Amino acid sequence: EPEVTQTPSHQVTQMGQEVILRCVPISNHLYFYWYRQILGQKVEFLVSFYNNEISEKSEIFDDQFSVERPDGSNFTLKIRSTKLEDSAMYFCASSATGNEQYFGPGTRLTVT
Amino acid sequence: KNEVEQSPQNLTAQEGEFITINCSYSVGISALHWLQQHPGGGIVSLFMLSSGKKKHGRLIATINIQEKHSSLHITASHPRDSAVYICAVSRGGTASKLTFGTGTRLQVTL
Repeated sequence: EPEVTQTPSHQVTQMGQEVILRCVPISNHLYFYWYRQILGQKVEFLVSFYNNEISEKSEIFDDQFSVERPDGSNFTLKIRSTKLEDSAMYFCASSATGNEQYFGPGTRLTVT
Repeated sequence: KNEVEQSPQNLTAQEGEFITINCSYSVGISALHWLQQHPGGGIVSLFMLSSGKKKHGRLIATINIQEKHSSLHITASHPRDSAVYICAVSRGGTASKLTFGTGTRLQVTL
């Protein structure tokens, strides 16, 4: 069964460093999402992406964040200068129709 | 105020018990989603519904649009059902985002 994959599973970085989180959505899906979950808190929406552009972004998704679909298969989330409060689990999701979403296993980002 | 509220926050049940998890929402929605989050963190979609009732194995999800309320039922619960169950809503539009509740942590014991 097709699934969303994410790499790496765990990333440790120092404050101020750039990180790129990678996702491979399900191959025929057209809608892509990033969410994050700070430890002990609920899952929060970051950004949605469709037709090679951002559809919607949350207040969290400030200028330090960017997304790209560089090669038609990968979908990346870049954080330019990480802060301690960026430590969280980051989930990628994809959808064929913009309705039901399929989630990847997540990348745990730890900023020290 | 959270747009999506769940109850209870924590639930312990014995194997075989019938379990109900409730979700209330305060906004207009296009669909309500029930998801399961395993201890390792992965999230799996269980149901997406916009009206009525859906059943998959021992899981049943219902929604009452007028009352802005949904329930997830687990019949004949089993220890492998232990997980966090999350209610989320989507509000329509292109690439509609999910707005999540805080989740219900379920532990089923032998």
